Amino acid sequence: GESVGLHLPTLSVQEGDNSIINCAYSNSASDYFIWYKQESGKGPQFIIDIRSNMDKRQGQRVTVLLNKTVKHLSLQIAATQPGDSAVYFCAIPLQGGKLIFGQGTELSVKP
Amino acid sequence: KAGVTQTPRYLIKTRGQQVTLSCSPISGHRSVSWYQQTPGQGLQFLFEYFSETQRNKGNFPGRFSGRQFSNSRSEMNVSTLELGDSALYLCASSFTGGPYEQYFGPGTRLTVT
Repeated sequence: GESVGLHLPTLSVQEGDNSIINCAYSNSASDYFIWYKQESGKGPQFIIDIRSNMDKRQGQRVTVLLNKTVKHLSLQIAATQPGDSAVYFCAIPLQGGKLIFGQGTELSVKP
Repeated sequence: KAGVTQTPRYLIKTRGQQVTLSCSPISGHRSVSWYQQTPGQGLQFLFEYFSETQRNKGNFPGRFSGRQFSNSRSEMNVSTLELGDSALYLCASSFTGGPYEQYFGPGTRLTVT
């Protein structure tokens, strides 16, 4: 079945630096990928998504890169701020409202 | 527009008891999905309901069940609670059940002692 893995469970960065969070997936047929942010005490919140026909997509201070050859995607956060401290998940949607989540990377931003 | 609400937010139960959790989706949304989140297993899909019908189910024992009402509100029930059922239970709503628009509630923190 489909599986999603993350490279690092924790990441600590200095405020103002760029953050990169990585994710690997197993099924080469996956055609849509989503990044979620979960702050303490809250449910996951949609950040950005990307379809398999794209290599890169940019949002506000965030960029997602997709490398289908090695089945890897990454989330880049520019000028990381304390408010970016959270757990970040990549997720792959399957049929019927089902999302397969990675284990999550906890991002800590040092002031 | 109000977000997804879940009640109660916190719950403590004893092993062997049963529990019912409630989820009110965003107005107009007809799909509700449930997830279990634990430190060890992460976020795992429980089931999804659309227009009162269960359309998809994850790999959880039959002790986990759910239902959806005509107003799209959903409940999930866990019977014969085990210590391992301690988790954050999240529901997400969307208009059609597609992944592109799932909005999560804050979750119900269940502790089984």
